[in-house]
Amino acid sequence: AQTVTQSQPEMSVQEAETVTLSCTYDTSESDYYLFWYKQPPSRQMILVIRQEAYKQQNATENRFSVNFQKAAKSFSLKISDSQLGDAAMYFCAYRSTTSGTYKYIFGTGTRLKVLA
Amino acid sequence: EPEVTQTPSHQVTQMGQEVILRCVPISNHLYFYWYRQILGQKVEFLVSFYNNEISEKSEIFDDQFSVERPDGSNFTLKIRSTKLEDSAMYFCASSEWGTETQYFGPGTRLLVL
Repeated sequence: AQTVTQSQPEMSVQEAETVTLSCTYDTSESDYYLFWYKQPPSRQMILVIRQEAYKQQNATENRFSVNFQKAAKSFSLKISDSQLGDAAMYFCAYRSTTSGTYKYIFGTGTRLKVLA
Repeated sequence: EPEVTQTPSHQVTQMGQEVILRCVPISNHLYFYWYRQILGQKVEFLVSFYNNEISEKSEIFDDQFSVERPDGSNFTLKIRSTKLEDSAMYFCASSEWGTETQYFGPGTRLLVL
């Protein structure tokens, strides 16, 4: 069975600085999807970035980018020029590409604090 | 931008009572999901639903749980006889297709006393 691990329960970053959130996963599949979701306080989870495992190029979305290391089964999220609005819980998630299996497997989350 | 909505935002119930959690998925989405997060633990998959039937469920989703799409807009999770351990945040999600990104609602916090 697949697992997702986020080893940093909490991280802090100064406004305008860069922070990296870690995520590792375990799977025997060769093709899958990885996601980072952001959950602001009392709000729904919002997709930050998505990576298809078959793509070697790291996904980028404005100030958010990932470092996808397939062999190491690592999927870290880098937030550049951190803003106060980035403060949230960040969840890493895995989804299989096996037909009929669409569930997400989540990590435990990393709470990001942004310091002014 | 379309959003998934959930009602109520909070619910308190007595052990043994039935609760129904409601979700309105994004209108053109065909796949619906329920997840839950017990305080301090991972978000866990419960069930997925497509074409008016369950397409996948976890071992958590036992006979006390059921899902339904009673009309063209709502998607509900019923817990028949709540237990203390059912206290959690319940998230609804929807996606256009199973292979597409899931969009999550804000959650319902359920407290069973």
